[in-house]
Amino acid sequence: DAKTTQPNSMESNEEEPVHLPCNHSTISGTDYIHWYRQLPSQGPEYVIHGLTSNVNNRMASLAIAEDRKSSTLILHRATLRDAAVYYCILRDLQRGAGSYQLTFGKGTKLSVIP
Amino acid sequence: NAGVTQTPKFQVLKTGQSMTLQCAQDMNHNSMYWYRQDPGMGLRLIYYSASEGTTDKGEVPNGYNVSRLNKREFSLRLESAAPSQTSVYFCASSEVEGVQPQHFGDGTRLSIL
Repeated sequence: DAKTTQPNSMESNEEEPVHLPCNHSTISGTDYIHWYRQLPSQGPEYVIHGLTSNVNNRMASLAIAEDRKSSTLILHRATLRDAAVYYCILRDLQRGAGSYQLTFGKGTKLSVIP
Repeated sequence: NAGVTQTPKFQVLKTGQSMTLQCAQDMNHNSMYWYRQDPGMGLRLIYYSASEGTTDKGEVPNGYNVSRLNKREFSLRLESAAPSQTSVYFCASSEVEGVQPQHFGDGTRLSIL
């Protein structure tokens, strides 16, 4: 399975943009890049996903490198509510039953400073 | 809009006791999942149900059984609880299997003494 590498922790000041990096150098052509986050004492929450092109939604933006070996989750204006563990996950469209499982690594713990 | 609802939120059991964790979703999703989360381990898939009437094992199914009661409900049963099953259990659902986003409940915190 293709693996992802993320920094263990990051800090951001409130109301500033945050760029959360993810390396996935062994990504395959059919791997989608997904981001989830988990707030304290809550279940994981879907943030965004993409395949090749950059993606935007109401929560965040996803910037995907041209060679797809890395991606960056962008929170445009961090709030205290964005303090969470952020997970970068690869999901293979063609893996059939194996694609059911979301494989969560350790993620990046984001702290937001007031 | 409740999303995915799990009951109970907390439970303490003695070794050897049995219990059923309940999960219901109101999003008309076809697929449902049970995960467990242990410190430093990330989430691991226990069982999943790709559609009503089907269930399959995930990464760590031993000691658990599941029932997809109908399209809305997917329960997880511990027949004889063991201390190694102390964990936080999350239920999730998605519109279909594959790369569709999964929506999670807030978890059941289970301690087995």
